Amino acid sequence: GQNIDQPTEMTATEGAIVQINCTYQTSGFNGLFWYQQHAGEAPTFLSYNVLDGLEEKGRFSSFLSRSKGYSYLLLKELQMKDSASYLCAVGYSGAGSYQLTFGKGTKLSVIP
Amino acid sequence: EPEVTQTPSHQVTQMGQEVILRCVPISNHLYFYWYRQILGQKVEFLVSFYNNEISEKSEIFDDQFSVERPDGSNFTLKIRSTKLEDSAMYFCASTTGDGNEQFFGPGTRLTVL
Repeated sequence: GQNIDQPTEMTATEGAIVQINCTYQTSGFNGLFWYQQHAGEAPTFLSYNVLDGLEEKGRFSSFLSRSKGYSYLLLKELQMKDSASYLCAVGYSGAGSYQLTFGKGTKLSVIP
Repeated sequence: EPEVTQTPSHQVTQMGQEVILRCVPISNHLYFYWYRQILGQKVEFLVSFYNNEISEKSEIFDDQFSVERPDGSNFTLKIRSTKLEDSAMYFCASTTGDGNEQFFGPGTRLTVL
């Protein structure tokens, strides 16, 4: 089975840095994705890690350790518009095709 | 920038009725997916589709569900006899290659009364 854990909620201050952690236990791991989801909207892609290490993309960075089943998303210079849910998703190849298994998401509130 | 579109944005139906949710994936994408998200819960994989056939389906995707690509652009999800517990947001997604970033449509909010 697939099990993905991330904190339910976090609060951070505008301009600060926040780290959202994700741990997973899955079979057939083939990449870890981070998506952002504003309330009532579709998930939008933020980052993707398939190898260990840090991937940087502007204000967002994501880290992966496959041996530890661990990833984090780092958001720098927080803005009010960053208030959203952040979804950790593990990609894996099932019997037929690739699919994403999502965590429950971390609701981030950015306060002034 | 190309995007995945879905219609309708909202669908209200009576229990037992059939619904068809429509999606137009990004034109050069080859892999298509349906996900659902019950209010307040996580996004759940339903089915993947490639080369005009189902590649993978989850336990949720039972005999009441079916998918079709009736022409070169549309990708549909049909629920034959809706149940109250089918009420959710349904997202279509597409990608160029299996394992690549998936682009999500805006979703269809299905309410079963």
